[in-house]
Amino acid sequence: SQKIEQNSEALNIQEGKTATLTCNYTNYSPAYLQWYRQDPGRGPVFLLLIRENEKEKRKERLKVTFDTTLKQSLFHITASQPADSATYLCAPSGGGYQKVTFGTGTKLQVIP
Amino acid sequence: GAVVSQHPSRVICKSGTSVKIECRSLDFQATTMFWYRQFPKKSLMLMATSNEGSKATYEQGVEKDKFLINHASLTLSTLTVTSAHPEDSSFYICSARNRDEQYFGPGTRLTVT
Repeated sequence: SQKIEQNSEALNIQEGKTATLTCNYTNYSPAYLQWYRQDPGRGPVFLLLIRENEKEKRKERLKVTFDTTLKQSLFHITASQPADSATYLCAPSGGGYQKVTFGTGTKLQVIP
Repeated sequence: GAVVSQHPSRVICKSGTSVKIECRSLDFQATTMFWYRQFPKKSLMLMATSNEGSKATYEQGVEKDKFLINHASLTLSTLTVTSAHPEDSSFYICSARNRDEQYFGPGTRLTVT
């Protein structure tokens, strides 16, 4: 069955450092992968979408890579700030009308 | 980015009553919407996929007669929790697909007393 694993339940880093979150998937080949931010008691907020033919995508302080050989996506936040503290979810998808399945999420805590 | 609204944001109801939650895509048309449920400190659990003009597709283990979904227009899907019980208390979140990107509503906190 399809499985999505995010590297750890919680990640603590110092303000100003780069946070790197990992998303590994098994038993399927997604056409694209989305990353979301979720704050407590709120719905997920869309951050970035990267397609299988894209190696890397950037948006402001965010960078996402997608390695279809390793079946892995890395999500980087550079110059992290306490306001970046949240849970980050990855969601690979087969595209079209296929459903999107979410990983368990990584809770990032940026320490001032 | 695209905006999805959800109403109400919070609802308390008595056991045995029904509750309707609305999900709207505000600035785009969505032929496909999704309904999720989330327990505390857990990931999103897909309940059903709602397609405009046709019956919803429910995930395994989700009772379609208990969680009624209607997607009557390209901008509105509703989830009705029928004969609610305390174990239905949860955080319900809808999402809508805009091309490949999926956008979420702010969620509805349902408490059944």
